[in-house]
Amino acid sequence: QVQLQESGPGLVKPSETLSLTCTVSGGSMSNYYWSWIRQPSGKGLDYIGYIYYSGTTKYDPSLKSRVTISVDTSKNQFSLKLTSVTAADTGVYYCAREHCTSISCYMDVWGQGTTVTVSS
Amino acid sequence: QSALTQPPSASGSPGQSVTISCTGTSSVVAAYNYVSWYQQHPGKAPKLIIYDVTKRPSGVPDRFSGSKSGNTASLTVSGLQAEDEADYYCSSYAGRDRVFGTGTKVTVL
Repeated sequence: QVQLQESGPGLVKPSETLSLTCTVSGGSMSNYYWSWIRQPSGKGLDYIGYIYYSGTTKYDPSLKSRVTISVDTSKNQFSLKLTSVTAADTGVYYCAREHCTSISCYMDVWGQGTTVTVSS
Repeated sequence: QSALTQPPSASGSPGQSVTISCTGTSSVVAAYNYVSWYQQHPGKAPKLIIYDVTKRPSGVPDRFSGSKSGNTASLTVSGLQAEDEADYYCSSYAGRDRVFGTGTKVTVL
C-alpha cells in the first residue's frame, strides 16, 4: 500500500524559501502525477501544482512565479520550493498521488500533512 | 478564487440524506468526467470518496454517490451516520488548471 510522508521545517521566516519533501513508500513513482496542495488554517484546499514522474510540471497560475516542484525517483521523493513567502503562505501542506486515466484525474493517496508557519 | 462553488454548509439527521452541489463557473464541469469528491475530518488529510463523477474507491460505503447534470456535480450521502460529519470538497478543472471547490461542512444533527 502506497504511503506518502511530508517533511521539512515547520517555521519559515518572511521573504525566505519554504522547502518540503514528500517521501513515497510502498510503491513506484512511475506513471503517476505527484501533487502539492495546501490549506490555510480554517479554510479550503488550494492546489499548488504537480510533477509527472518523468519531470513535467504544472503550477497554479497564482503561484507560478514562486513555485518549483522537482522529483528524484531514485529516492522515491518529490519536493516543493516556494520562494519569497509571506504570512499568507502559512498553512498545512499536503502531498498527494494523482492517478490519471484517459478520461480523468483524481488524488487517491494523500500524506498526513505538515504545518508550515511563516513568521519572524 | 475557486472556479467551483459549493454551499458552505449542509445538515441532516441520522438516517436522512444530504446532497451537496458543486457548480462550475464555466462549462468545465459539464465537459469533463474529472469531477472527484474528498472527505476531510478535522485535523486529518482529505480522503477520496468519489472519482470519475460517480465511481467509489474500494472501501467507501455505497451510501456515498455522485452525479452530474449540466454544469453542476453533486454528492449525495444517504443514511447519514455520525461519522459522516466532515468537510467535503469537489475537484475538477478550470481550463487546464486543477481546482478544488469552496468546501461544504456537513453536520449530522
